Amino acid sequence: GDSVTQMEGPVTLSEEAFLTINCTYTATGYPSLFWYVQYPGEGLQLLLKATKADDKGSNKGFEATYRKETTSFHLEKGSVQVSDSAVYFCALSDRAAGNKLTFGGGTRVLVKP
Amino acid sequence: NAGVTQTPKFQVLKTGQSMTLQCAQDMNHEYMSWYRQDPGMGLRLIHYSVGAGITDQGEVPNGYNVSRSTTEDFPLRLLSAAPSQTSVYFCASSYPGTVGYTFGSGTRLTVV
Repeated sequence: GDSVTQMEGPVTLSEEAFLTINCTYTATGYPSLFWYVQYPGEGLQLLLKATKADDKGSNKGFEATYRKETTSFHLEKGSVQVSDSAVYFCALSDRAAGNKLTFGGGTRVLVKP
Repeated sequence: NAGVTQTPKFQVLKTGQSMTLQCAQDMNHEYMSWYRQDPGMGLRLIHYSVGAGITDQGEVPNGYNVSRSTTEDFPLRLLSAAPSQTSVYFCASSYPGTVGYTFGSGTRLTVV
């Protein structure tokens, strides 16, 4: 079945540092890929998405590129802020099965001033 | 405001009690899902539905029932609560063919 693996946290950074969170996936078809963010005490919000190979999703300074050859969708941000402290989830969607989402385990990011 | 509404936000149950977690969306989304979130395990799919009258099991369905009598509502029933069901539960909805789900704010359930 489908699966998503992302780097374990927590990741602790200083403000303005560069952030990378690795994500790799296994899927039988051609999934869509997502990054969701969960701020403390809140639900999940869609951060960015990519629907086909070589697509780049971007939002709020975050970027991720759908790499079919390496089955990866790594999240990057060039200069993090304290407000980026959250848990980040990589996920894939199987359109052939009702858009079911399969999530990675989540990566907690803490940005210190 | 349009979105996914979950009630209650918090609930404490005793082992063996039953209850229903409510989920409603006003976006006319056909697809709806229930997930549970446990530390270090991400979100795991419990049940999902691709339309009214149609439901199917996800990764961790045991101990939970669902039904989908209307497009708007997708309640999750715990038949006999167990401490292993202590978790945060999220409901989500989506259009068919549209990538990305909208999530509710969650229900934090504790079973003692």
